[in-house]
Amino acid sequence: EAQVTQNPRYLITVTGKKLTVTCSQNMNHEYMSWYRQDPGLGLRQIYYSMNVEVTDKGDVPEGYKVSRKEKRNFPLILESPSPNQTSLYFCASSLRPKSEKLFFGSGTQLSVL
Amino acid sequence: AQSVTQLGSHVSVSEGALVLLRCNYSSSVPPYLFWYVQYPNQGLQLLLKYTSAATLVKGINGFEAEFKKSETSFHLTKPSAHMSDAAEYFCAVTLYGQNFVFGPGTRLSVLP
Repeated sequence: EAQVTQNPRYLITVTGKKLTVTCSQNMNHEYMSWYRQDPGLGLRQIYYSMNVEVTDKGDVPEGYKVSRKEKRNFPLILESPSPNQTSLYFCASSLRPKSEKLFFGSGTQLSVL
Repeated sequence: AQSVTQLGSHVSVSEGALVLLRCNYSSSVPPYLFWYVQYPNQGLQLLLKYTSAATLVKGINGFEAEFKKSETSFHLTKPSAHMSDAAEYFCAVTLYGQNFVFGPGTRLSVLP
């Protein structure tokens, strides 16, 4: 089954403790991206990747890192989480992002205390 | 820079009534436009997309949207609402398929 898998589904952590949210897709998509969803703000793009070893900032990249060492995986790294990064995070992938749909993962609800 | 506005954070309609969800965009060049739906505790699913072909686009579940360049709009409609349409709807825009900008969303409630 074609899917984007995110882990974990829920995560509670404390300020400053490094964490990684994993994202994996099984569709051989070149394009992958990360978003955060906050009430009243919709989804805001954090980072995107057009291919392996190619990443670029979205609209809200501060406090986040990503890597794309292999096509299927695109982890989101928070080196020193802060409470304002409490949010619902989504990973997405696409074969042709201009004309084809984004496949979204089920989301990761992160709480930073 | 691109931006998307969705008028009305919450829209309520009666079952069987017309659904109209508004989306306006700001872009320096004609963009690619999308409508996504999000059901509770799920990711987003594509409803329909405009990719510079026909201006009236038909999507899944009876939804359609019309691209109006002069009004910079891409409103979503459905002739007759069903209870299962209750969800949050997001309009999104991209110029080159790299940076995506989503609107703030409209929550649709369908009343019996």
